[in-house]
Amino acid sequence: IQLVQSGAEVKKPGSSVKVSCKASGGTFSTYIVTWLRQAPGQGPEWMGRITPALGAASSRSAKQLQDRVTITADKLTATVYFELRNLRSEDTALYYCARFDSGRFATDAFDIWGHGTMVTVSS
Amino acid sequence: SYVLAQPPSVSVAPGQTATITCGGNNIGRNSVHWYQQRPGQAPLLVMYNDRDRPSGIPERFSGSNSGNTATLTISRVEAGDEAEYYCQVWDSGSDLVVFGGGTKLTVL
Repeated sequence: IQLVQSGAEVKKPGSSVKVSCKASGGTFSTYIVTWLRQAPGQGPEWMGRITPALGAASSRSAKQLQDRVTITADKLTATVYFELRNLRSEDTALYYCARFDSGRFATDAFDIWGHGTMVTVSS
Repeated sequence: SYVLAQPPSVSVAPGQTATITCGGNNIGRNSVHWYQQRPGQAPLLVMYNDRDRPSGIPERFSGSNSGNTATLTISRVEAGDEAEYYCQVWDSGSDLVVFGGGTKLTVL
């Protein structure tokens, strides 16, 4: 499958952004979809994950972002959503969704990545 | 939180062997994964579970992990291997995925 993400966003500080990730050419099956971001010149940073087959109850997010992040999934459209609220300038980054096949990898590893969605936070 | 330390840069001549290390406290007890990222592209998984290669990754890529150091080795380096390489683990202590700071591989 391929992961197709929504387009670039420019947001004001304090606003929210919602990025989508759609499975193309297949479904998420029992895979786990993870969200990561990468600020310019930095390494990837794990943001959270969800198992679409299990729904919202399976979502988890990084502790430092927990109160600002919501990850949801729509099984019918094979789409996962990542919402980040109360945006700050330091949230400016390229946001990726990626697949974690828990049946294949001993721990979280990401074998299929979306193309990334640039989110710019600027006044 | 768990910290993974990588050298900022490694340089090798074509045909030589590149060794990229990833240091962490008792990292040998974790499963380590490695990614290659070329400019403008998403990361590509090149090694998982310490030493397993995804399909399509050349046999020139190998991995090991013991004690406090995990290593990605690229034999017979080619110009196309030039990229940023990141190691990654899942830290059970913090229940968090952690990436190293990245190593820029330059092919001279």
